[in-house]
Amino acid sequence: GAVVSQHPSWVICKSGTSVKIECRSLDFQATTMFWYRQFPKQSLMLMATSNEGSKATYEQGVEKDKFLINHASLTLSTLTVTSAHPEDSSFYICSAREDGAQQYFGPGTRLTVT
Amino acid sequence: QKEVEQNSGPLSVPEGAIASLNCTYSDRVSQSFFWYRQYSGKSPELIMSIYSNGDKEDGRFTAQLNKASQYVSLLIRDSQPSDSATYLCAVRGNGQNFVFGPGTRLSVLP
Repeated sequence: GAVVSQHPSWVICKSGTSVKIECRSLDFQATTMFWYRQFPKQSLMLMATSNEGSKATYEQGVEKDKFLINHASLTLSTLTVTSAHPEDSSFYICSAREDGAQQYFGPGTRLTVT
Repeated sequence: QKEVEQNSGPLSVPEGAIASLNCTYSDRVSQSFFWYRQYSGKSPELIMSIYSNGDKEDGRFTAQLNKASQYVSLLIRDSQPSDSATYLCAVRGNGQNFVFGPGTRLSVLP
């Protein structure tokens, strides 16, 4: 199956700093990438959808100036959490998809903001 | 508002039994349906996809789709303790986005 990687797998940062998370599709070209957030014991919440070369589409309630998404190429998307706060601590998961195919999830990045 | 509903569980079944997981969705134009398994602390992994009415079998897993009833299910035969996880139902309509259900926690008791 298709492989999606994320880096880092976990990160601890101080309140007020920014954190960048990378999502890569390793063996296919992802025309669309998705970013999800999952709090403990809750389901996945879609944050934004990004298509290569265009601006991301954010879900209602997700601050686009706080969660910066860049889908620079067909194999790489980045999520930057700016001015992170403890309430941003969560499990961030990306997924990638070729045209018309199912989504493949990355392994996730656990962010802890102290 | 698109919704996907699942019983949160936990659903407990003895080892070797059949586990039946159910999912209903509200958007009639939904076209693609997926079941993902998520172990605690891990990201979801795709188990099955189904696009047309009826049953689709893959090993111990069978997905069942009934578009008229807006219902999709996952059967796991000969359940194993390693099947203990949260199972997420996902539905995709005409657009790109998947809508995930809240997940059903399955516990297979040895």
